[in-house]
Amino acid sequence: QKEVEQNSGPLSVPEGAIASLNCTYSDRGSQSFFWYRQYSGKSPELIMSIYSNGDKEDGRFTAQLNKASQYVSLLIRDSQPSDSATYLCAVKRSGGYQKVTFGIGTKLQVIP
Amino acid sequence: GAGVSQSPRYKVTKRGQDVALRCDPISGHVSLYWYRQALGQGPEFLTYFNYEAQQDKSGLPNDRFSAERPEGSISTLTIQRTEQRDSAMYRCASSRPPQGFFNEKLFFGSGTQLSVL
Repeated sequence: QKEVEQNSGPLSVPEGAIASLNCTYSDRGSQSFFWYRQYSGKSPELIMSIYSNGDKEDGRFTAQLNKASQYVSLLIRDSQPSDSATYLCAVKRSGGYQKVTFGIGTKLQVIP
Repeated sequence: GAGVSQSPRYKVTKRGQDVALRCDPISGHVSLYWYRQALGQGPEFLTYFNYEAQQDKSGLPNDRFSAERPEGSISTLTIQRTEQRDSAMYRCASSRPPQGFFNEKLFFGSGTQLSVL
């Protein structure tokens, strides 16, 4: 079982729609959860982090965490063609253990 | 510098040769990570340092891979006796965890694309 699982996609949504990206993780000791965006040929960049159960909103982005279900999601409202990228889910265990593990990434295509 | 710097940007080598990949993190960043990323895959953890101490090297594939960060700043990832399967993008990231180790944002460099012929 992979530590972080994502559907590789591609996920295609029309411009203006809501894109929903999902991630599950296997280590119940995970405490920190991240979404990175990676444009083709570029390096990953952090767009959201979440540490507590529930929702966290930042502009058009909402991260959702359910530790009981070991599930993290990212919602992108009013999707734009510029949102087309690969979205990487990453998790980190608790305390001083700093290893950050990434999933395979979900490729999102926003169609104009 | 303003960001994480990696060199060389591209490295082509012949099978059996040794290669050294360099990472210069953001000034003052405590933690430094090495990842390997194959095309269409997510970053695969290799190792990380806090200051000069290598905290976790569990992701290094075998003993041909090693990393060091002798003065707690610049790091070198060395691959000995390279094989074709080592071909990938090698990414370095740095961070400076605030108190409590939460909110650990990784800043990635542009990577070194390694091709082993």
